[in-house]
Amino acid sequence: DAGVIQSPRHEVTEMGQEVTLRCKPISGHDYLFWYRQTMMRGLELLIYFNNNVPIDDSGMPEDRFSAKMPNASFSTLKIQPSEPRDSAVYFCASSLAGKPNQETQYFGPGTRLLVL
Amino acid sequence: AQSVSQHNHHVILSEAASLELGCNYSYGGTVNLFWYVQYPGQHLQLLLKYFSGDPLVKGIKGFEAEFIKSKFSFNLRKPSVQWSDTAEYFCAVNAQAGTALIFGKGTTLSVSS
Repeated sequence: DAGVIQSPRHEVTEMGQEVTLRCKPISGHDYLFWYRQTMMRGLELLIYFNNNVPIDDSGMPEDRFSAKMPNASFSTLKIQPSEPRDSAVYFCASSLAGKPNQETQYFGPGTRLLVL
Repeated sequence: AQSVSQHNHHVILSEAASLELGCNYSYGGTVNLFWYVQYPGQHLQLLLKYFSGDPLVKGIKGFEAEFIKSKFSFNLRKPSVQWSDTAEYFCAVNAQAGTALIFGKGTTLSVSS
C-alpha cells in the first residue's frame, strides 16, 4: 500500500495568498484527519471526516481555514488568506474503524508550510 | 477534557543505555493508547498501541510500553537504545475509535554513539 499521500511536501507562500493542501488517504479507510504541528502547540487536530462527512471541525482556527472531502480518496485543506502564523507542518492521517473500538491512524509525510 | 503529559522534553543517552519515557493521560473512561515516533524530517510512524488485554505491549524496533490503569500511565521502554533511535516520540490517546488523537508535547531523544 502506498500509505497516506500528501502534496505538496513543501510550500512557501506570501502572506495573503491562498494555499491548498491535498491528501489521499489509504484506500478503504473511512476516517480522515487533518492535524497541525507547531513548536508552540505541538500536534493538534484541525478537522476530521467519516465517510467524507465532516464530524468535528472544532480545531479549525478561524474562517480562513476550510476543508473538503469530495470523495473517499481525496481531501483538501485550504487557507485563504494565509498569514505568517499559519506556518506549520500539516499532517493528514487516515484510519479504518474495524473491530469495535480498535482503530489506528496512519499518517502522511506532512506538508511543511511557510508563510512569509 | 482529555490531556496527555510527557514529562521529559529532551532525553540524552549513550548507545546501549536503557530508555524509559513517561506518559500520563487524564481521562476517566476507557482509552486507546499509542506511541508514535517521528524521525528527523519524516512523518509520524506508529511504534505500538494498546486497546485492551495484556497491559504490556510490544512494538517495532524493540520498544515496549506498559499500561498501568491505576496510574493513568503508558510509559515507553527500550532496554538498549541505538543511535538510530534518535527521534521525537509522541504519546497519544483517544477515547474511542474514530475520534481524534490527543497528543502529548513530545519527547526528543538524542542518542550519542
